[in-house]
Amino acid sequence: GAGVSQSPSNKVTEKGKDVELRCDPISGHTALYWYRQSLGQGLEFLIYFQGNSAPDKSGLPSDRFSAERTGGSVSTLTIQRTQQEDSAVYLCASSFGRYYEQYFGPGTRLTVT
Amino acid sequence: DQQVKQNSPSLSVQEGRISILNCDYTNSMFDYFLWYKKYPAEGPTFLISISSIKDKNEDGRFTVFLNKSAKHLSLHIVPSQPGDSAVYFCAARSGSGTYKYIFGTGTRLKVLA
Repeated sequence: GAGVSQSPSNKVTEKGKDVELRCDPISGHTALYWYRQSLGQGLEFLIYFQGNSAPDKSGLPSDRFSAERTGGSVSTLTIQRTQQEDSAVYLCASSFGRYYEQYFGPGTRLTVT
Repeated sequence: DQQVKQNSPSLSVQEGRISILNCDYTNSMFDYFLWYKKYPAEGPTFLISISSIKDKNEDGRFTVFLNKSAKHLSLHIVPSQPGDSAVYFCAARSGSGTYKYIFGTGTRLKVLA
């Protein structure tokens, strides 16, 4: 497909475990973003990538969160030692660049029990 | 501190009538604004945008108005259709040198047939 894909679509994990969320952006899109949406909240910016570098990591909630992007394409968001407050829908988006709209994936629903 | 606010969590409109969704912001440095539509279990999809140098942008049934002095943005949908029922998010970019978008909490629109 031509859209942004994310995997897994749903993830249930126990508190304290690590999780990896994956995002495949649209081919050719240089910018990639991660957001999360907690219940009843708006989209919270986490991090963005321009190519493989992340000029802005200001939204990452704690040092348990990290992200990387390789080959200017796939990105992985890793949450270590998950906590219940990490439960949310994690959304990935990509765009041609800052003057273009972002295309979102369907999200990964993370539930920490 | 919520820099982008959508004070109406929900709105119901009769089919064929106008839907008006509102958004207020606090940061005068925002230079680009977007509206996204989100259906359940899907990622947000881009709807329409406006640059801070304009006060109106129109695309078919959708028009976005920007009042910079009031720091207010609105989306008009005319005529409203049942398929427009979704959650609408406004978003603002915090300056031309950044990719970072700040999203509101969303307004759930229900168009009644």
